[in-house]
Amino acid sequence: AQSVTQLDSQVPVFEEAPVELRCNYSSSVSVYLFWYVQYPNQGLQLLLKYLSGSTLVESINGFEAEFNKSQTSFHLRKPSVHISDTAEYFCAVGRSSQGAQKLVFGQGTRLTINP
Amino acid sequence: GAVVSQHPSWVICKSGTSVKIECRSLDFQATTMFWYRQFPKQSLMLMATSNEGSKATYEQGVEKDKFLINHASLTLSTLTVTSAHPEDSSFYICSAWGGTEAFFGQGTRLTVV
Repeated sequence: AQSVTQLDSQVPVFEEAPVELRCNYSSSVSVYLFWYVQYPNQGLQLLLKYLSGSTLVESINGFEAEFNKSQTSFHLRKPSVHISDTAEYFCAVGRSSQGAQKLVFGQGTRLTINP
Repeated sequence: GAVVSQHPSWVICKSGTSVKIECRSLDFQATTMFWYRQFPKQSLMLMATSNEGSKATYEQGVEKDKFLINHASLTLSTLTVTSAHPEDSSFYICSAWGGTEAFFGQGTRLTVV
């Protein structure tokens, strides 16, 4: 079985400060990892994903995450946050690199950016 | 990019009535769609897997007679909450895969009064 743990339910930071949202997973098979962002009363949007290759993946809006197999982690980082980054962030794990599949989600981390 | 459209965005219904939620893949075909439920300040819990042309697969603990799923075409899946009760009030989200990525609908907030 697969599971995902997001260690922080809430993370408050000041604008332009760095942030790290932690995600650890458990799986007995190969994993494919995703970070999604959810704004209030909206669906989820993909932020970035790790399928294979380089363990460091980046998004277009400055976020990055590093797949660490030995620590079973996929932490999300941003060197300087903006007010618009305020949202709920979900880490998820899948079983396959392609094709429709169930995703197992973490509990979510609410990122709040203070001016 | 691929888009999944969910309708309605919000609905209020009386206890005992049924509500239908639609999930459409707008620019790609999806033989499989997924329905999730999200309680306030909580994560997404998978309810069922919707398969085009066949019966849906429900997760453990989800009442299949209460949450009816129909996947009649390659671009449309519907979730009907039958005989809704206040405890069914929640945020329902569908998703469909395009290539290596899951695309999510905007979600439907259901309030049963």
